[in-house]
Amino acid sequence: DTGVSQDPRHKITKRGQNVTFRCDPISEHNRLYWYRQTLGQGPEFLTYFQNEAQLEKSRLLSDRFSAERPKGSFSTLEIQRTEQGDSAMYLCASSTTGVQQPQHFGDGTRLSIL
Amino acid sequence: DAKTTQPTSMDCAEGRAANLPCNHSTISGNEYVYWYRQIHSQGPQYIIHGLKNNETNEMASLIITEDRKSSTLILPHATLRDTAVYYCIVRVYQTGANNLFFGTGTRLTVIP
Repeated sequence: DTGVSQDPRHKITKRGQNVTFRCDPISEHNRLYWYRQTLGQGPEFLTYFQNEAQLEKSRLLSDRFSAERPKGSFSTLEIQRTEQGDSAMYLCASSTTGVQQPQHFGDGTRLSIL
Repeated sequence: DAKTTQPTSMDCAEGRAANLPCNHSTISGNEYVYWYRQIHSQGPQYIIHGLKNNETNEMASLIITEDRKSSTLILPHATLRDTAVYYCIVRVYQTGANNLFFGTGTRLTVIP
């Protein structure tokens, strides 16, 4: 399967700990997106990369969150000093460059804060 | 981006066509209509998109009204595996603005 891959699928951690998630996009997709989804809601945009450049950040992305895509391939999303409100599904998507190209999503990492 | 309005939930009998409506009365001329669906515990799945012409692929058909103020996603022969939340999104891609706004979608339940 050559879809978007996310790791881990589930993460349980205590409040105050740091967590890091990884996303491997579809190969040759130079755009990569992070979204967050809470129960009963649709996904909400967090940030977007074109190649290694982070071009857009949502105001949802507080200073405890940082995302990287160092070589323009995989990406990591780190949350520092986790809080209860960070419990959510974190989704990654990728797309090619080009007008109207659809985003293709991974199955997400579900984060639970104890 | 233009706002979309979808029914909260719908039921469809297995084997019948599922017709999911979406209103987007403030859509502008360069905005595309996208449909995604999300099955429980999975990420959203791209289904189809279009600008003004009707579109069809192996998953579904998209019918856009002539005034572009509404559209309908058609699953021609619904199966139990089509039970999911369906999102209608109106979007124009431009430099510096590439996120999708999902809303809360329509929960489709296919009934045996």
